[in-house]
Amino acid sequence: GNSVTQMEGPVTLSEEAFLTINCTYTATGYPSLFWYVQYPGEGLQLLLKATKADDKGSNKGFEATYRKETTSFHLEKGSVQVSDSAVYFCALRGSSNTGKLIFGQGTTLQVKP
Amino acid sequence: GAGVSQTPSNKVTEKGKYVELRCDPISGHTALYWYRQSLGQGPEFLIYFQGTGAADDSGLPNDRFFAVRPEGSVSTLKIQRTERGDSAVYLCASSRTSGDTQYFGPGTRLTVL
Repeated sequence: GNSVTQMEGPVTLSEEAFLTINCTYTATGYPSLFWYVQYPGEGLQLLLKATKADDKGSNKGFEATYRKETTSFHLEKGSVQVSDSAVYFCALRGSSNTGKLIFGQGTTLQVKP
Repeated sequence: GAGVSQTPSNKVTEKGKYVELRCDPISGHTALYWYRQSLGQGPEFLIYFQGTGAADDSGLPNDRFFAVRPEGSVSTLKIQRTERGDSAVYLCASSRTSGDTQYFGPGTRLTVL
């Protein structure tokens, strides 16, 4: 079945450091890929998405490229801020398009001033 | 505009009791999803409604769990004979249609003593 694997956290960085959170997936067909973020005390929010191979999703300085050849969707940001501290979830929606999302286990990011 | 709302925000119950969790989706959204998030894990899909009907209930763990959406808007997740292992945050999400971005509510934290 479809699945998502994320790098384990927590990830602790200093402000302005470069961020990469790895995400790989297993799926049949052509899934859509997502990154969701959960800030402390808040609900899940969509951060970015990509719906086909080689698409790049971007938002708030974060980027991720849908790589079908490596079945990956790694999240990157060039310069993190303290306000980026949150839990990040990689997710996929299968090509059957029932809409259900399959999430990774989440990666906690802590950015220190 | 109003987002997805869930009530109650917290529910504490005793083992063996019956609970109902409510979700109010964004107005006009025809698709509604329930997920369950255990501590330190990503959300796990439970059930998906398109309109009034459950289009995919493959994630419901057993027959103690049931969900309804009688008028195609508000949904209720019902759990009978609760067990300690049911303790988790129950998330609701809605989208305009099944293939669109899902917007999540703040969740209901269920604790079974």
